[in-house]
Amino acid sequence: QVQLQESGPRLVKPSETLSLTCTVSGGSINSYYWNWMRQSPGKGLEWIGYIFYTGTTKYNPSLTSRVTISIDTSKSHFSLKISSMTAADTAVYFCARAPPDHTTSDDRYSAFDEWAQGALVTVSS
Amino acid sequence: DIVMTQSPESLAVSLGERATINCKSSQSILYASANKNYLAWYQQKPGQPPKLLIYWASSRESGVPARFSASGSGTDFTLTISSLQAEDLAVYYCQQYYNTPFTFGQGTRLEIK
Repeated sequence: QVQLQESGPRLVKPSETLSLTCTVSGGSINSYYWNWMRQSPGKGLEWIGYIFYTGTTKYNPSLTSRVTISIDTSKSHFSLKISSMTAADTAVYFCARAPPDHTTSDDRYSAFDEWAQGALVTVSS
Repeated sequence: DIVMTQSPESLAVSLGERATINCKSSQSILYASANKNYLAWYQQKPGQPPKLLIYWASSRESGVPARFSASGSGTDFTLTISSLQAEDLAVYYCQQYYNTPFTFGQGTRLEIK
């Protein structure tokens, strides 16, 4: 049974950079898309971006200038960095897995089938 | 971006009765050559992450009770709970994974009448 667990500071100062790591256990990090989402009362569920196990990334255009997602397959974890944090970035951050969809000829995905518990990150001085 | 719109925003249903939630996408999420709709339904209970219930618009995830079913194609989709149980109290979200950025509906809060 695969499990995902977020780690990292839960309190970030305005203008600083958020750093979160998601560790994958009980299963392989290979062959999947690894995603970050966030949820706040004001904006609902928002997809931040993904990284494929090969290192290919894709980000939400609304955040792309501030977001970096990286992966370390040898440590079975992937990470999120968001720079220039503001109060509007206060949210619960989730990491989640999406299997690739092998039934099409192009690079497509399946639904998010495994999620971490979530990490409440507050931006405050 | 593909906008996902759910209705209603909240729904009160008696135990044992049917609950129906609708989801509409701003453009078709049917991948015609594969005949697959890139739509999922999730259930979220307080303090928990979303849980995948349905994928490919109508395929039930392993372990999800049979009272949960879903249908639809193109731009219009429905999640149905055939006989509401107390443990079904939650917020339900639809989500498209046809294109990035992946997007979610605003959620439907299901309450017990």
